[in-house]
Amino acid sequence: GQQLNQSPQSMFIQEGEDVSMNCTSSSIFNTWLWYKQDPGEGPVLLIALYKAGELTSNGRLTAQFGITRKDSFLNISASIPSDVGIYFCAGQAQTGANNLFFGTGTRLTVIP
Amino acid sequence: DTEVTQTPKHLVMGMTNKKSLKCEQHMGHRAMYWYKQKAKKPPELMFVYSYEKLSINESVPSRFSPECPNSSLLNLHLHALQPEDSALYLCASSQVASLTGELFFGEGSRLTVL
Repeated sequence: GQQLNQSPQSMFIQEGEDVSMNCTSSSIFNTWLWYKQDPGEGPVLLIALYKAGELTSNGRLTAQFGITRKDSFLNISASIPSDVGIYFCAGQAQTGANNLFFGTGTRLTVIP
Repeated sequence: DTEVTQTPKHLVMGMTNKKSLKCEQHMGHRAMYWYKQKAKKPPELMFVYSYEKLSINESVPSRFSPECPNSSLLNLHLHALQPEDSALYLCASSQVASLTGELFFGEGSRLTVL
């Protein structure tokens, strides 16, 4: 399968701080998505990106689809304790391909 | 609450047992997926069904046998599993030939093979 690398692998931050994480691929993707997974739960979609250069926000979350189509970034502003979890990027290489490849994940811990 | 329901939530089985994992969705999606997730790892695609037909099999061992009886249900039959098959098994659904790539996941079935 496709290899998507996320960084950092883990983060420990104070409540109220902003967070940035990114995802890179050796291949071009047509769609980038960001999911969050809580312990013992399935991933939940946060943001979807469909065009190179696109910047999309969902509340305190902002994500960007890289111009090269090989990377994406997720920012969380003013973190709160419930932001704790694992954040996965995911990419779809071909529109309509029905297979999604997941990044290695970024584990976020927010210290109250 | 997720609209993809998986049962059971937890399953413990021996290597000689036969068991099944079940998944149900009522969103009218015609693509359904099985993913396997080991601890601290990303989900890995196992199977994709489109319109109740198997469209992707990511070289999964035959001890895992998927079945899609109708557009709302997806099963994963398990037989002669190994301890290394212990993992969280995630079911997901989406629109077929999804232009958005958006998958909706269930909460998963945590499988332990003794």
